[in-house]
Amino acid sequence: SQTIHQWPATLVQPVGSPLSLECTVEGTSNPNLYWYRQAAGRGLQLLFYSVGIGQISSEVPQNLSASRPQDRQFILSSKKLLLSDSGFYLCAWSVNLDISYEQYFGPGTRLTVT
Amino acid sequence: AQKITQTQPGMFVQEKEAVTLDCTYDTSDPSYGLFWYKQPSSGEMIFLIYQGSYDQQNATEGRYSLNFQKARKSANLVISASQLGDSAMYFCAMREPGTYKYIFGTGTRLKVLA
Repeated sequence: SQTIHQWPATLVQPVGSPLSLECTVEGTSNPNLYWYRQAAGRGLQLLFYSVGIGQISSEVPQNLSASRPQDRQFILSSKKLLLSDSGFYLCAWSVNLDISYEQYFGPGTRLTVT
Repeated sequence: AQKITQTQPGMFVQEKEAVTLDCTYDTSDPSYGLFWYKQPSSGEMIFLIYQGSYDQQNATEGRYSLNFQKARKSANLVISASQLGDSAMYFCAMREPGTYKYIFGTGTRLKVLA
């Protein structure tokens, strides 16, 4: 069965520090991978998605970046965090372009920038 | 542009009663998929139910059913026999063919009262 991992689960970082969040998927090949951010009590904002190794699509201009060095690994990074980067970060995967296929989400990383 | 609207920021329901969570969508494509997710306080996103635009019958999954009214562009989630564990945020989402992206609504926070 497929499993998606995210770490760390919780992170407290000072403003201006770097960030690296990692997401890995097991049990599937060539997944579509997604990074979302959720502000407290709000909806999901799509940040990046990737349909293959090295292929990154950015949805929102910001100080974050994403990379996909391996088929089932998706990394979210920042060189200098802002207070506004605080939130709940969710990684998700799906397959192909079939509209009937749902997304599966990881457990999330709660980031607080102080 | 595709859009999902959830107009109920919060809902209350008595335990064992049924509740309907509203979702309307906007798309010009005749083919699309509609999804509902549950997000408990732990933060994980749990897939609940799927409805395809060409499906003749309303989708059902246990206590969850989808009241799909295509002409009105609505896909309301009905939860029967509510349980305390149903207290959570609920998100409606849509996917169109030819795109890897899922569009999410802003969510409805459901509180089940004992």
